[in-house]
Amino acid sequence: EDQVTQSPEALRLQEGESSSLNCSYTVSGLRGLFWYRQDPGKGPEFLFTLYSAGEEKEKERLKATLTKKESFLHITAPKPEDSATYLCAVPPQGGSNYKLTFGKGTLLTVNP
Amino acid sequence: GAGVSQSPSNKVTEKGKDVELRCDPISGHTALYWYRQSLGQGLEFLIYFQGNSAPDKSGLPSDRFSAERTGGSVSTLTIQRTQQEDSAVYLCASSLLGGGKQETQYFGPGTRLLVL
Repeated sequence: EDQVTQSPEALRLQEGESSSLNCSYTVSGLRGLFWYRQDPGKGPEFLFTLYSAGEEKEKERLKATLTKKESFLHITAPKPEDSATYLCAVPPQGGSNYKLTFGKGTLLTVNP
Repeated sequence: GAGVSQSPSNKVTEKGKDVELRCDPISGHTALYWYRQSLGQGLEFLIYFQGNSAPDKSGLPSDRFSAERTGGSVSTLTIQRTQQEDSAVYLCASSLLGGGKQETQYFGPGTRLLVL
């Protein structure tokens, strides 16, 4: 069964302390990897889509990278407003494009 | 509208009652998805609608769950004879076309369902 594993489950940083979140997947023939941010009581908010190994995308303090087995979400000099749960998702191997399989997320807390 | 909207935002019901959850997708989006997010679990795919095609219901957990999409726009997820294990956040998403190359799915705020 396709699996998406995110680590760590929770991460606590001080403001300005850079770090990375990991998303590993077992799907071969990856047809896209998605990163979302979810604030408490809200739906996931789209951040990035990555399609091929070596691809990178940036948005403000966030940079997402992709290898053949995992993706990293790098957070540079985070601010308290970056606190949220970060989710990654992939479409299943050989199946429909729309049935995303989500990881359980990493809960990021950035302290001022 | 500007984004996906869902109603109600919160729903408390008694075990055995039926509930209806509503989703208004982004205007012009032909694909609509329902997911369930339980405490400590990842988002779980429930059902997918694309245009006039037959929906993909493969993620519905039991025959107590059903969904429809009227006029290719608004969708309603119905849970009959609710059970306590149905308590979760129900999320709706939409995308422009669906199928083909993986598209970005845009999510609504969710409906928080609590079954007592």
